[in-house]
Amino acid sequence: NAGVTQTPKFQVLKTGQSMTLQCAQDMNHNSMYWYRQDPGMGLRLIYYSASEGTTDKGEVPNGYNVSRLNKREFSLRLESAAPSQTSVYFCASGTGVADTQYFGPGTRLTVL
Amino acid sequence: SQKIEQNSEALNIQEGKTATLTCNYTNYSPAYLQWYRQDPGRGPVFLLLIRENEKEKRKERLKVTFDTTLKQSLFHITASQPADSATYLCALYSLDTGRRALTFGSGTRLQVQP
Repeated sequence: NAGVTQTPKFQVLKTGQSMTLQCAQDMNHNSMYWYRQDPGMGLRLIYYSASEGTTDKGEVPNGYNVSRLNKREFSLRLESAAPSQTSVYFCASGTGVADTQYFGPGTRLTVL
Repeated sequence: SQKIEQNSEALNIQEGKTATLTCNYTNYSPAYLQWYRQDPGRGPVFLLLIRENEKEKRKERLKVTFDTTLKQSLFHITASQPADSATYLCALYSLDTGRRALTFGSGTRLQVQP
């Protein structure tokens, strides 16, 4: 099992550009999550999907959109990137909303 | 306001000693509390989960306590080793947030000196 995979690993964007971060899990988990991690701020939840077909806003959803494409895949889209979105982005999955989460390796995004 | 607080200063200890990390929370009524380990450049890895009706949980050299009166969880690593050096994150699940998801603290970095 690959667990949780994320692509790309690194990305540099210019302000105003758009991009989609991809996440896939092969553990048949119901719940999937997108977090951002900034120095001193810990992990902050952007969006989550408690089950296939549902998505909900997290703590910091502004400037982002998500798609739960199927049970395996959960993508995060930045429509018009801003320097404030420079961060490390982690995708995670879990069997249920309160259960153990399994994290991907992260995407390091820089917006110039 | 709701807060989860972990000591932002690194904890430095000698090999073989017990490391104790603290997670305090305010204005939450968590049903679960979890601890994760994060190494530089990697995603967090789950270590232990403790429920609101449990006082203590153990796994090998790790022990977690949960005091809902003090609104605090303590994470202990006994007989610490340099390989235990990492950042440790606490996370809680509470319906008070209005979200069916975990809320994470900012983590405490542990450095174990040989």
